[in-house]
Amino acid sequence: AQSVSQHNHHVILSEAASLELGCNYSYGGTVNLFWYVQYPGQHLQLLLKYFSGDPLVKGIKGFEAEFIKSKFSFNLRKPSVQWSDTAEYFCAVTSLTTSGTYKYIFGTGTRLKVLA
Amino acid sequence: GAGVSQSPRYKVAKRGQDVALRCDPISGHVSLFWYQQALGQGPEFLTYFQNEAQLDKSGLPSDRFFAERPEGSVSTLKIQRTQQEDSAVYLCASSLRVPDTQYFGPGTRLTVL
Repeated sequence: AQSVSQHNHHVILSEAASLELGCNYSYGGTVNLFWYVQYPGQHLQLLLKYFSGDPLVKGIKGFEAEFIKSKFSFNLRKPSVQWSDTAEYFCAVTSLTTSGTYKYIFGTGTRLKVLA
Repeated sequence: GAGVSQSPRYKVAKRGQDVALRCDPISGHVSLFWYQQALGQGPEFLTYFQNEAQLDKSGLPSDRFFAERPEGSVSTLKIQRTQQEDSAVYLCASSLRVPDTQYFGPGTRLTVL
């Protein structure tokens, strides 16, 4: 069965530190990849996505992610975090099912706390 | 409305009661998804609609769970004879097409006592 692994469940950083959150998936077919973020008290919202083309994608608020097909990875990065980046981050992958529909599979999430 | 709305936001049910959770997607969004999110976990897929057609219900955990979207817009997730293990946040998301960005509602937090 397809799965998404997020290696870090909790991350604590000081402001201005660099961030990298790992995401690995298990699926051999064509994938579409997403990072969603949930700020405290808010809905899940899209941070960035990869469908095709340049494997380095840029999202909102200075986030970027790199798709490495050979490693089945889609790690999220930010060179310098801010206190306002405190949130929970979810990696998600879509895969095409045998019935021709798409299924979205989410990782378990990483809680990031940025200390001011 | 500008976003996906869900009601109620909180629901407390006694074990054995039936509950109905409502989702109003973004106008014009063809695709609608329901997810279950347990504490400390990511959203788990329950079911997917394209317009009024339920194309995938493989994630529904038991036959006590039932979802509908009769006119292709508002959707209702119904849970019959609720059990304690049904306690979770139920998320609804809509999108213009699949695969593409999903827009999530605030969720309904269901607590079964």
